[in-house]
Amino acid sequence: DGGITQSPKYLFRKEGQNVTLSCEQNLNHDAMYWYRQDPGQGLRLIYYSQIVNDFQKGDIAEGYSVSREKKESFPLTVTSAQKNPTAFYLCASSMRVSGGSYNEQFFGPGTRLTVL
Amino acid sequence: RKEVEQDPGPFNVPEGATVAFNCTYSNSASQSFFWYRQDCRKEPKLLMSVYSSGNEDGRFTAQLNRASQYISLLIRDSKLSDSATYLCVVRKNTNAGKSTFGDGTTLTVKP
Repeated sequence: DGGITQSPKYLFRKEGQNVTLSCEQNLNHDAMYWYRQDPGQGLRLIYYSQIVNDFQKGDIAEGYSVSREKKESFPLTVTSAQKNPTAFYLCASSMRVSGGSYNEQFFGPGTRLTVL
Repeated sequence: RKEVEQDPGPFNVPEGATVAFNCTYSNSASQSFFWYRQDCRKEPKLLMSVYSSGNEDGRFTAQLNRASQYISLLIRDSKLSDSATYLCVVRKNTNAGKSTFGDGTTLTVKP
């Protein structure tokens, strides 16, 4: 089946540790995105990537890092510099269409990160 | 002021009711508009795109007013299964379709 997968579903981390969240898509989508969602709030963009080996900071990139070595993969590392990392992390992807615009975004099931 | 604003609700309605959600956006350069549905502790899923001429999908009708920078979603004949949070999303068609999400409006449909 085509889709976006994220792993793990739940992740627990001790303070001071880095942790990497996985995101893989087999939709052949060009762009990929990472969002953070806190309870009762909307999604905030962390990083996004339009093409392999290129990515841009979103609105809340501090304390996070990403890589895009393959089109289908866009892992997110939550570093110890992120002050409040406990949140629901969502990965999304979208297809670039003619004219340089993009279709709607499709989301993976998310990873719930808890810092102990 | 947030770039996308929604009435957070909650909206509590009986089955069969008609309910309308509103969303305003501040960036006049926004070009694409969407409504997503998010169930509790799940990922958002696209409900419908919003077109300038307005569009309908079954019991759901979306409308866009560019002059007032306002988007609406109307749900007719509400079902219990419509209970969810509805997210308004606006996007400029540059920067990889970077989107801005509202905080969502929560709907509970009661028997």
